[in-house]
Amino acid sequence: EPEVTQTPSHQVTQMGQEVILRCVPISNHLYFYWYRQILGQKVEFLVSFYNNEISEKSEIFDDQFSVERPDGSNFTLKIRSTKLEDSAMYFCASSERGGMSYEQYFGPGTRLTVT
Amino acid sequence: AQSVTQLGSHVSVSEGALVLLRCNYSSSVPPYLFWYVQYPNQGLQLLLKYTSAATLVKGINGFEAEFKKSETSFHLTKPSAHMSDAAEYFCAVSVNRDDKIIFGKGTRLHILP
Repeated sequence: EPEVTQTPSHQVTQMGQEVILRCVPISNHLYFYWYRQILGQKVEFLVSFYNNEISEKSEIFDDQFSVERPDGSNFTLKIRSTKLEDSAMYFCASSERGGMSYEQYFGPGTRLTVT
Repeated sequence: AQSVTQLGSHVSVSEGALVLLRCNYSSSVPPYLFWYVQYPNQGLQLLLKYTSAATLVKGINGFEAEFKKSETSFHLTKPSAHMSDAAEYFCAVSVNRDDKIIFGKGTRLHILP
């Protein structure tokens, strides 16, 4: 069964450093998403991406964040200058556009630890 | 704006007992509703979804949920709890296909032997 994959599974970085989280969505999916979950809290929407542009973004997704689909298979989330409060689990998801499943498929997540 | 409220951050049931996890939603338009499960240190797995078809939705692992518009509820049930059901459960809503999903705060289900 096709699945969304994410790398790395765990990333440790120092405050102020740039990080790039990588995702490989399911191959025929056209909508891509990033969510995050701070430890012990609910999952929060960050951004959705379709047709090589951002469809919607949340208040969390400020100028420190950016997304890119660099090569037609990967979908990346970049944080330019990490803060302690960026420590969280980051989930990538993808869905078919107009698909009958109405389902977003989630990856296993990348745990980001900012020290 | 849409939202979900999950009643009870922790629920404990005995093995073999009925599982009932409560979720109420708020949406200005007919919603799509979901239940996701998260096992420790793992990602999110879809249990079931409501997409305006049958109001009683059956999912994986013996779970089901009933959409009640009059009560704006989408409670998750399972007739007989199993130890392997111990996990965090998230109720979620979206208003359009391919739209962002709004998650509730989650309910941690504990199964007592």
